[in-house]
Amino acid sequence: EIVLTQSPATLSLSPGESVTLSCRASQSVISYLAWYQHKPGQAPRLLVYDAFNRATGIPARFSGSGSGTDFTLTISSLEPEDFAVYYCQQRRSWPITFGQGTRLEIK
Amino acid sequence: EVQLLESGGNLVQPGGSLRLSCAASGFTFSSYAMSWVRQAPGKGLEWVSTIVSGGTTYFAASVEGRFTISRDNSKNTLYLQMNSLRAEDTAEYYCARSAVAAAGTGPFDYWGQGTLVTISS
Repeated sequence: EIVLTQSPATLSLSPGESVTLSCRASQSVISYLAWYQHKPGQAPRLLVYDAFNRATGIPARFSGSGSGTDFTLTISSLEPEDFAVYYCQQRRSWPITFGQGTRLEIK
Repeated sequence: EVQLLESGGNLVQPGGSLRLSCAASGFTFSSYAMSWVRQAPGKGLEWVSTIVSGGTTYFAASVEGRFTISRDNSKNTLYLQMNSLRAEDTAEYYCARSAVAAAGTGPFDYWGQGTLVTISS
């Protein structure tokens, strides 16, 4: 099983700031890495797939990078609606696995 | 517009059974892999099971042998039959569609709102 480790667990930032979230895989997932945003009471939302491709309708302030075992999600100039939990997920091999999540909080 | 609507969540005693349904609309259901993903209270997302368009199924180790995933393409509906339920199966269960991908099953591009399963005596 491929283990995904996200860091940090929690971040406290203010609107307008930029942030980079990290996801490290226990073995190479090539580029089969996606990022999701999840808010309480809502369905998770796909942000980025295959490491750097923005999903349909996702603002340009969200960008993904990385390959192999190290990946990042950068959000430039945080908007109030960006405060949520972010998960990475690999589809390189079964079982599909998610990271434990990074909670982005308003300072 | 793609829509996924889960139903069937309930309070069940340990050892009991439950069947979840996910009604899909707005796309050609039979062409897509479909999955169940759950979130236990206070925890992160956990993949549970996937059924690809051809019918092959995959399960997380934690549910293998207890859960069955199936689909009825004539009804555009995905199912999750859950047997021998345990307290640790308590979670919000989401239905999710996998995007078409050149290799393997794609990322989860559409999700339902979830249905709550509670296992307790």
